[in-house]
Amino acid sequence: AQSVAQPEDQVNVAEGNPLTVKCTYSVSGNPYLFWYVQYPNRGLQFLLKYITGDNLVKGSYGFEAEFNKSQTSFHLKKPSALVSDSALYFCAVRDLNYGGSQGNLIFGKGTKLSVKP
Amino acid sequence: EADIYQTPRYLVIGTGKKITLECSQTMGHDKMYWYQQDPGMELHLIHYSYGVNSTEKGDLSSESTVSRIRTEHFPLTLESARPSHTSQYLCASSETATRGELFFGEGSRLTVL
Repeated sequence: AQSVAQPEDQVNVAEGNPLTVKCTYSVSGNPYLFWYVQYPNRGLQFLLKYITGDNLVKGSYGFEAEFNKSQTSFHLKKPSALVSDSALYFCAVRDLNYGGSQGNLIFGKGTKLSVKP
Repeated sequence: EADIYQTPRYLVIGTGKKITLECSQTMGHDKMYWYQQDPGMELHLIHYSYGVNSTEKGDLSSESTVSRIRTEHFPLTLESARPSHTSQYLCASSETATRGELFFGEGSRLTVL
């Protein structure tokens, strides 16, 4: 079965330092991978996705993610963290075998990012 | 900004009451979803729809029901609310294409006393 894992419940970073939020996946075919951010008492906002092409995907708010097929990873990165980046981050993979031919997204458990001044 | 709207944003209600959470989108998306999320926790898919008159249950069993009479509207109903239903409910929609990302509403936080 398809799955996605976020091994860290929380990531703490000092403002101005680079940040990485980890995500690994397991799929039987080509992965469709997504990152979302959730601020307190809000819905999820789409950050970026990998479908095909370049392994480095750039998204909103200066975030980027690197697709690594051999390590089955899709880590979220940002060169310089801001206090306002503090939020809950979700990785997701589309499972084409779940929810009909179009597939439904399977979400990781989320990683809380805390950026301190 | 995604054009998907949820009402009410916050609802406090007594046990046994019937409630309906509204979700509407103006993007013409065929696919719509309801997720349940406890605070700061993972999302669980409880219902989804691939179009008008199409509804399916998700991977988390829920006592709620949904309907899809119009493309833009996907309400969720609880016939008799209980404290165990206290949670945040997130509605989302997406294009039919496999590559499409989900667009989420702001959520409805339900508290059942």
